[in-house]
Amino acid sequence: EPEVTQTPSHQVTQMGQEVILRCVPISNHLYFYWYRQILGQKVEFLVSFYNNEISEKSEIFDDQFSVERPDGSNFTLKIRSTKLEDSAMYFCASRADNYNEQFFGPGTRLTVL
Amino acid sequence: RKEVEQDPGPFNVPEGATVAFNCTYSNSASQSFFWYRQDCRKEPKLLMSVYSSGNEDGRFTAQLNRASQYISLLIRDSKLSDSATYLCGGGADGLTFGKGTHLIIQP
Repeated sequence: EPEVTQTPSHQVTQMGQEVILRCVPISNHLYFYWYRQILGQKVEFLVSFYNNEISEKSEIFDDQFSVERPDGSNFTLKIRSTKLEDSAMYFCASRADNYNEQFFGPGTRLTVL
Repeated sequence: RKEVEQDPGPFNVPEGATVAFNCTYSNSASQSFFWYRQDCRKEPKLLMSVYSSGNEDGRFTAQLNRASQYISLLIRDSKLSDSATYLCGGGADGLTFGKGTHLIIQP
């Protein structure tokens, strides 16, 4: 069964450094999402992406964040200058064009020191 | 972005019992609703979509009440493997999730 994959599974970085989190959505899906979950808290929506542009973003997704689909398979989330409070699990999700269900990847655990 | 509210539990339920969760939402523009299951430190896994007409999948039944803005999940004949956190989510595009309801099935 096709699934969303994410790399790396765990990223440790120093405060102020840039990180890029990578996702490979399910191959025939057209809508892509990033969510985050701070330890012990709820899953929070960050951004949705369709047709090579952002379609919706939350107030969390400020100028420090950007997304890109650099080729036909990868979908990336960049955090330009990480803060301690960016430490969280980051989940990528995707969905097909004619279905509403979103499927999540296994997540990248980001630790900012 | 409006909120989704869930009782965090934990719900401690004996194996074989029936358990029900509710979830309320405040954004009446939300078009789609889902129940996801999340195991500790894992990703949310889609359990089922929620429709006004009701949706049943084996031991699981989900229902959406748009007039009262709540979503329900019923689990019949609960198994030890049903122990998890159940997330209610809804939205038109990006999903808003509740904090989740923690279910513990006891032998």
